[in-house]
Amino acid sequence: QKEVEQDPGPLSVPEGAIVSLNCTYSNSAFQYFMWYRQYSRKGPELLMYTYSSGNKEDGRFTAQVDKSSKYISLFIRDSQPSDSATYLCAMSAATDSWGKLQFGAGTQVVVTP
Amino acid sequence: SAVISQKPSRDICQRGTSLTIQCQVDSQVTMMFWYRQQPGQSLTLIATANQGSEATYESGFVIDKFPISRPNLTFSTLTVSNMSPEDSSIYLCSVEGYTGGSYNEQFFGPGTRLTVL
Repeated sequence: QKEVEQDPGPLSVPEGAIVSLNCTYSNSAFQYFMWYRQYSRKGPELLMYTYSSGNKEDGRFTAQVDKSSKYISLFIRDSQPSDSATYLCAMSAATDSWGKLQFGAGTQVVVTP
Repeated sequence: SAVISQKPSRDICQRGTSLTIQCQVDSQVTMMFWYRQQPGQSLTLIATANQGSEATYESGFVIDKFPISRPNLTFSTLTVSNMSPEDSSIYLCSVEGYTGGSYNEQFFGPGTRLTVL
């Protein structure tokens, strides 16, 4: 079983819709939870990070972490064609160095005009 | 933030040969990381490279196959040795950048797309 599970998609939504992404994980030591966005032929870029459980909002993006269920989510409101990308969840245990991230496989999102 | 460049951006190689990938950062960083991104699979950490010391490899990756150099605080190389088609992947370099918060953001290079025939 993989430590981090993520549905690869693709997830196709019309412009303006809410995009809902999620990951599940098995390692209860994970404390830091990140969402990265990766455009085609580019490296991943950090969108948001959350420490422990709770919600975090940044503009059109909301990240949620439910440690009791080992489940994290990312919501994108008012989606735009420019949001079309692959979204990767990543996690880190507090005892690991920052570089030791465990990634999900990524969900491809397509926002159609 | 950190700006990272990688060379080459892509290459097609014959099995049994080796390829060295370069990673250049626009600022001095302590730790650099090398990841592999295989089609349909998650980014996987290959090794951590600190300047002035031997790289630390993750389970399943060995120095003979993926030798790493870290000659200074802005540069690193990853060599993929004795390549086979299974090594076809995207290889990414990343660094930590201090952003003033409780979390040091990781910045990624654009990746090197390797195809082994």
